[in-house]
Amino acid sequence: QLQLQESGPGLVKPSETLSLTCTVSGGSISSSSYYWGWIRQPPGKELEWIGNIYYSGTTYYNPSLNSRVTISVDTSQNQFSLKLSSVTAADTAVYYCTRLPTGYYSDYWGQGTLVTVSS
Amino acid sequence: DIQITQSPSSLSASVGDRVTITCRASQNIRTYLNWYQQKPGKAPNLLIDAASSLQSGVPSRFRGSGSGTDFTLTISSLQPEDFATYYCQQSYSTPYTFGQGTKLEIK
Repeated sequence: QLQLQESGPGLVKPSETLSLTCTVSGGSISSSSYYWGWIRQPPGKELEWIGNIYYSGTTYYNPSLNSRVTISVDTSQNQFSLKLSSVTAADTAVYYCTRLPTGYYSDYWGQGTLVTVSS
Repeated sequence: DIQITQSPSSLSASVGDRVTITCRASQNIRTYLNWYQQKPGKAPNLLIDAASSLQSGVPSRFRGSGSGTDFTLTISSLQPEDFATYYCQQSYSTPYTFGQGTKLEIK
């Protein structure tokens, strides 16, 4: 059974960089059939797509995050990562990592991790 | 960006009722529309992809339809476990965007 697990600091200071890792178990991140992605949800609000990555490293980002976001993949560790720089309180959210068959929808999700931006 | 307008934002219904949730896209997205169910404190769960393709394990009382700009999610006979928040998502073009959500509550 495929499982995704987010990990990283739950508290980040304003202007610093948020870093999260998603560890994939029960399947290979190098499979050509899947993309991997990040979605976030501010408390009490709707979902927001952050971006996707293919195992080859091809990425797709939400322009609303401008150049602050970087998603990378580490096939040797079966992980992919999210970095969001220059964070503000508006980046406080539950961050989910997901798997996307063909890249169009998320069929497996991590449990989510709450990241709070506060000094 | 493609805007998705989801309605209603909340809905009260009883067990056994038939309910319909609607999403409208700001441009033609063909059938690149997905539906998710989210329960409090949990990650969303994919119900339907490509507007009408029911995921394995999802009860047949869930039905998705539509193409172009107008889409619906219908639950034919509400069960207690169906009370949750529902989101639609377009995946026709990046950035993928979600509807605002519909909170389905017990009447």
